Amino acid sequence: AQSVAQPEDQVNVAEGNPLTVKCTYSVSGNPYLFWYVQYPNRGLQFLLKYITGDNLVKGSYGFEAEFNKSQTSFHLKKPSALVSDSALYFCAVRDGNYGQNFVFGPGTRLSVLP
Amino acid sequence: SQTIHQWPATLVQPVGSPLSLECTVEGTSNPNLYWYRQAAGRGLQLLFYSVGIGQISSEVPQNLSASRPQDRQFILSSKKLLLSDSGFYLCARSGTAITGELFFGEGSRLTVL
Repeated sequence: AQSVAQPEDQVNVAEGNPLTVKCTYSVSGNPYLFWYVQYPNRGLQFLLKYITGDNLVKGSYGFEAEFNKSQTSFHLKKPSALVSDSALYFCAVRDGNYGQNFVFGPGTRLSVLP
Repeated sequence: SQTIHQWPATLVQPVGSPLSLECTVEGTSNPNLYWYRQAAGRGLQLLFYSVGIGQISSEVPQNLSASRPQDRQFILSSKKLLLSDSGFYLCARSGTAITGELFFGEGSRLTVL
């Protein structure tokens, strides 16, 4: 079965500092990994995905994520955080052996302090 | 444009009343469609998904049902709402490629009193 863990409920960083939001996953087949952001009372917005190839994936709004197969991780990063990055972040996985379902992590609330 | 429309955006209903939330998708044909529920601003629970007209898969036994009467229309319904049905309901679509991401609508917030 597929599963996704986001070990931190909350991450606080100061504006201008680098940020990392952690994600680990478990799948039986090839993992397809995704990051989404959600602002209050809005739908989820797609940030980036890893399918294959380069382990460092670049996405929207200056975010990037690093796929690490040995650690089964897909951490979201940004070199310099903005106050406007404060939101709820979700990691998701789709198992290559089970096509239709996306499994989401519980979410991590990011607060960027001015 | 691959827009997802959800309505109503907000809804307050008494316990025991019926429910109908509608989702329509533009700009794509034969999408996979999904209904998720989000409680208390946190995790997403997959309720239903559909790979085509009239084809519905239910992930969680509950007080809700879904229908797909047209290719780009996905409806979430209940005959009698419970307090526990309150939440933020999100419709999403993906393409048929397994590498494709999900795209979400703006959600419908349901409060059952």
